[in-house]
Amino acid sequence: GESVGLHLPTLSVQEGDNSIINCAYSNSASDYFIWYKQESGKGPQFIIDIRSNMDKRQGQRVTVLLNKTVKHLSLQIAATQPGDSAVYFCAENYLHNYGQNFVFGPGTRLSVLP
Amino acid sequence: DGGITQSPKYLFRKEGQNVTLSCEQNLNHDAMYWYRQDPGQGLRLIYYSQIVNDFQKGDIAEGYSVSREKKESFPLTVTSAQKNPTAFYLCASSMGNSPLHFGNGTRLTVT
Repeated sequence: GESVGLHLPTLSVQEGDNSIINCAYSNSASDYFIWYKQESGKGPQFIIDIRSNMDKRQGQRVTVLLNKTVKHLSLQIAATQPGDSAVYFCAENYLHNYGQNFVFGPGTRLSVLP
Repeated sequence: DGGITQSPKYLFRKEGQNVTLSCEQNLNHDAMYWYRQDPGQGLRLIYYSQIVNDFQKGDIAEGYSVSREKKESFPLTVTSAQKNPTAFYLCASSMGNSPLHFGNGTRLTVT
């Protein structure tokens, strides 16, 4: 499959444990944040998003937390499963003269141990 | 089902040749984007288009060209001027202030 990052930060968790993946963003004008999951050989898939007027949003087994004071975003995955193994990217979004601008973090590789 | 189609999945070219990567979407999205992905790095923006017949350079546009003649299509040409063209190329689209939807990428290898 495709290599999406040979030297990415890696998080290893035991199957069934909770995972927390962190991301720092750079632009205080960013008002929309997204987490993506990328499996080998595929494009990134949307997981969950959050607007800047919120500090927490929950989905199915996933929660995103936003701390605008320190420009920090986290993704929590409950009861991590082998299928969760992938590279996870955060993205910040802000509006500029030519429309929406999405800026991606470097990614974190999640490895689920049996 | 609606989605973004990138073709081909794998592409091989000799150095000095131009090559065009295809991206088609049937999501009726206005905006389309091209990103490059290299090992150990995040996605870097090459070009984007907010509307038909208009496009803007991204962070690493040198050596690339695009066109947006139809809403559904946003082909990317990797020219011989691109110094290091071997990479994984991702096309995406979006509508308004919504998440990007990605295709499954084209792996370009230039030898």
